[in-house]
Amino acid sequence: DGGITQSPKYLFRKEGQNVTLSCEQNLNHDAMYWYRQDPGQGLRLIYYSQIVNDFQKGDIAEGYSVSREKKESFPLTVTSAQKNPTAFYLCAIKAGGPGELFFGEGSRLTVL
Amino acid sequence: AQSVAQPEDQVNVAEGNPLTVKCTYSVSGNPYLFWYVQYPNRGLQFLLKYITGDNLVKGSYGFEAEFNKSQTSFHLKKPSALVSDSALYFCAVSRLSGTASKLTFGTGTRLQVTL
Repeated sequence: DGGITQSPKYLFRKEGQNVTLSCEQNLNHDAMYWYRQDPGQGLRLIYYSQIVNDFQKGDIAEGYSVSREKKESFPLTVTSAQKNPTAFYLCAIKAGGPGELFFGEGSRLTVL
Repeated sequence: AQSVAQPEDQVNVAEGNPLTVKCTYSVSGNPYLFWYVQYPNRGLQFLLKYITGDNLVKGSYGFEAEFNKSQTSFHLKKPSALVSDSALYFCAVSRLSGTASKLTFGTGTRLQVTL
């Protein structure tokens, strides 16, 4: 069954801890994206990668890091430097024409 | 810089009535415009897009959108709403040049369809 798998679906973290969110795809697409969603603010781009071993900062990259060692995987680390990490995180791939993104089910991170 | 405005936080409509969800955009040059839908605790799903051509674009689930360049708008419409259309709708814009899939999203409009 092809698609995007994000894990974990829910995650709780104490302040000061780093946490890594997983995003795996088996659709063989090159471009992958991480967005953050907050109530009333829509989606904001954190990082994106257009090819293996390459990634670019989005609009709100501070406090986050990513890697793209394999085509199918694009993990996001939320570091302790991120001031307000509680949010819903969405991973996406570019599927189809320009702007046609296919999203995973999301990971909800809560910092206690 | 590019931006999108969705002026209504929520739109309420009775089932069977037409619906409109508003979106205006700002971008230098010609835009790519998109609508996505999100159901609770789920990812977003692509509905439709405008790149060039006819100003009226048809998409999934009976939705359509009208591109109006003079008013810089891209309103989402459906002739007859269903209760199952209730969800959060996002408008997005991207420039034609550069990284076409680097989207800027609006803040979202919650559509509530009642019996």
